[in-house]
Amino acid sequence: KQEVTQIPAALSVPEGENLVLNCSFTDSAIYNLQWFRQDHGKGLTSLLLIQSSQREQTSGRLNASLDKSSGRSTLYIAASQPGDSATYLCAATSGSARQLTFGSGTQLTVLP
Amino acid sequence: KAGVTQTPRYLIKTRGQQVTLSCSPISGHRSVSWYQQTPGQGLQFLFEYFSETQRNKGNFPGRFSGRQFSNSRSEMNVSTLELGDSALYLCASSLGLAGYFQETQYFGPGTRLLVL
Repeated sequence: KQEVTQIPAALSVPEGENLVLNCSFTDSAIYNLQWFRQDHGKGLTSLLLIQSSQREQTSGRLNASLDKSSGRSTLYIAASQPGDSATYLCAATSGSARQLTFGSGTQLTVLP
Repeated sequence: KAGVTQTPRYLIKTRGQQVTLSCSPISGHRSVSWYQQTPGQGLQFLFEYFSETQRNKGNFPGRFSGRQFSNSRSEMNVSTLELGDSALYLCASSLGLAGYFQETQYFGPGTRLLVL
């Protein structure tokens, strides 16, 4: 059974700082790894999707990497802004049913 | 193109009642997945429907059921509500079966259910 862990649960940084969010998964036989953003009490917004054959994906100030062998993914946010404050969730697609398993998220606060 | 819509956005019910939530996917999307989000358990997969058929099911009791119509709209039903069913229920749509294509799932804003 796939388990996805995100550490830390919460992170607070000053504006302008570069930061890294971590995601680990127990079953390395994944089809893809996705990063989502969730603003408080709202739905999820897809940020990046990395296929199992890829090592990284970039979108603007965001860069996500994937290391299947070690069961880890990182989300790098450059030059953080207060508008980046949200909960970031990673999710792995795995298993014969290709089910999405979510981590518990990292709550990011960027202080102005 | 309009996003995923969910109705109602908020709902208050009492224990023992039943509830039906609705999800309209992005036009052209044929897959709808449902998730339950609680502070204690996080985001958990409920089930996925594709072409009016349930293709995948999470580990939830039979009180949780769903269906999908020919226009891809989906409904989720919870019978005999319990206090622990209080949660944000999210639906997500994708063009094809989730996980089989490169495109991601697009989430709706959710329905917040409070069971008293």
